[in-house]
Amino acid sequence: DAGVIQSPRHEVTEMGQEVTLRCKPISGHNSLFWYRQTMMRGLELLIYFNNNVPIDDSGMPEDRFSAKMPNASFSTLKIQPSEPRDSAVYFCATGASGSEQYFGPGTRLTVT
Amino acid sequence: AQSVTQPDIHITVSEGASLELRCNYSYGATPYLFWYVQSPGQGLQLLLKYFSGDTLVQGIKGFEAEFKRSQSSFNLRKPSVHWSDAAEYFCAVGDSQGAQKLVFGQGTRLTINP
Repeated sequence: DAGVIQSPRHEVTEMGQEVTLRCKPISGHNSLFWYRQTMMRGLELLIYFNNNVPIDDSGMPEDRFSAKMPNASFSTLKIQPSEPRDSAVYFCATGASGSEQYFGPGTRLTVT
Repeated sequence: AQSVTQPDIHITVSEGASLELRCNYSYGATPYLFWYVQSPGQGLQLLLKYFSGDTLVQGIKGFEAEFKRSQSSFNLRKPSVHWSDAAEYFCAVGDSQGAQKLVFGQGTRLTINP
């Protein structure tokens, strides 16, 4: 298996633009997690899905952030409009019931 | 609420020396504990996990960790470090055995002196 796939790996955008981050989970994994990592706040869970259904989105910073999982093979995290303080590394992680989480390589987002 | 404390932000050890990274957790029920490693520019990789049973767990890359309920600790150890072990190490606690919501510590950055 190729592992968790995230795209793009790097994204540079200007303030106010829409940003879409993508994640393809490991086949057979039914849980998907979006994290944000910054120097100041460490690793924060933004939202997670079980069987494509959002279970806990309490970590989503504000309404500018949204996440979807239209099927078991794909998820997106969207920021609209983006702000410089959104600059971070965003990780997607997936897991199966009774197992640990497997992390993708991350997307480094820079908002200027 | 669950919480994880890694008291050491940065540790430096010499190659070949032993290593212990500390992790303390706060959780009311039976914790499910994990150690992950992150190399620069990479995602997190699982080193080992504790769900139940033997309190000394073995992981990959020669790492082990010991669960001590009385001390609410899950310290990571390695008898002899290699230069390739330089990375950031994260302890995490989960509220179920599976891939459910994890709370991560702030991480410990490990530097290896040649």
